[in-house]
Amino acid sequence: DSGVTQTPKHLITATGQRVTLRCSPRSGDLSVYWYQQSLDQGLQFLIQYYNGEERAKGNILERFSAQQFPDLHSELNLSSLELGDSALYFCASSSWDRGREETQYFGPGTRLLVL
Amino acid sequence: GENVEQHPSTLSVQEGDSAVIKCTYSDSASNYFPWYKQELGKRPQLIIDIRSNVGEKKDQRIAVTLNKTAKHFSLHITETQPEDSAVYFCAAMGNYGQNFVFGPGTRLSVLP
Repeated sequence: DSGVTQTPKHLITATGQRVTLRCSPRSGDLSVYWYQQSLDQGLQFLIQYYNGEERAKGNILERFSAQQFPDLHSELNLSSLELGDSALYFCASSSWDRGREETQYFGPGTRLLVL
Repeated sequence: GENVEQHPSTLSVQEGDSAVIKCTYSDSASNYFPWYKQELGKRPQLIIDIRSNVGEKKDQRIAVTLNKTAKHFSLHITETQPEDSAVYFCAAMGNYGQNFVFGPGTRLSVLP
């Protein structure tokens, strides 16, 4: 157990809908990252937050957005869902601070299926 | 931006043999190189990492080497066991939130 939690574990929805994925980082970690992993594919970095502020952006679609709250949990919002958005969405956290990259610990993931 | 290539995409070895996976990166600003192991349906788990000020790091049967000049790094697993079978991802990361790029993965199968 990495200490990173994600809910829900599974999510089935229809095209055009909107969903919210939730992540709680390890105790003490200020940095949260979101990744998308399509079937048998690699990990695509979406976005990073540090202590409530967006820190880095990867290949995140405009239909997707995220935020990190004062209690450090983070939410990833996916809207106008398409079939191709079906994937595993991982959250990771680290003690990243002052520019020194630290180990990222991954949560168990949320499996999203868009029908 | 950063680009990470990983080879081979699949690797089969006999139990007890060694396995080597190689990654190359493009951005010289990358300075942190973790390796993750992902078993089917599970989360990626860090197995070893190396920073750019170190050339080699070892942890029991696992070792990682880094050649900054050539911009490549490799994962070495010795005395492989069936439980080593998984997908292995390398990654290259830089400071200040730059370059969170993972390689495409290597599916390792250790045959008994």
